[in-house]
Amino acid sequence: DQQVKQNSPSLSVQEGRISILNCDYTNSMFDYFLWYKKYPAEGPTFLISISSIKDKNEDGRFTVFLNKSAKHLSLHIVPSQPGDSAVYFCAATGGGGADGLTFGKGTHLIIQP
Amino acid sequence: NAGVMQNPRHLVRRRGQEARLRCSPMKGHSHVYWYRQLPEEGLKFMVYLQKENIIDESGMPKERFSAEFPKEGPSILRIQQVVRGDSAAYFCASSRRSGTGDGYTFGSGTRLTVV
Repeated sequence: DQQVKQNSPSLSVQEGRISILNCDYTNSMFDYFLWYKKYPAEGPTFLISISSIKDKNEDGRFTVFLNKSAKHLSLHIVPSQPGDSAVYFCAATGGGGADGLTFGKGTHLIIQP
Repeated sequence: NAGVMQNPRHLVRRRGQEARLRCSPMKGHSHVYWYRQLPEEGLKFMVYLQKENIIDESGMPKERFSAEFPKEGPSILRIQQVVRGDSAAYFCASSRRSGTGDGYTFGSGTRLTVV
């Protein structure tokens, strides 16, 4: 029973273009959403977050959009850079259950020169 | 200011042996979280501890797994009588306070291989 779903295992984008990573969730009690970036052999690093009371949060090249009615969020990276190549995990918290984060399976973003 | 330190980075155990994974949180952080990542999967929450207390272990298997965070020293995740299915990357995160995840700092993980 996956409560956070990232349906695209991988995504290839040309350098300079926009990367859009998608995430869907099923638990309507989630109230905080986060994106983490992970390089091979390293732990995840926090990228950006959004509270359920907002629909957009922007930080430099990264913007997260939340559509509560559709239970969908997306991460936009523009312009995409080679260093953005990594696995991106969507996570959520506040689902009324465990204190920890519920992660999706990740999307491997590949930025092509 | 060192980040979250996990050791060992790689651990190989034979079936039936015990595995001990260590996590030293960032200085000033008193909250520790353990996550497990199976191949091709996302990270799954296992347990949340504060100093000397287990706050939430709802993600931890009921048998063979235990965790502690003593007053002095690192947090330990212990897996007894390991089986092949325990092979995974185990990540520890720490934070200054509980709540939203953007205050978490993750370690680089311990990759456990059971042969």
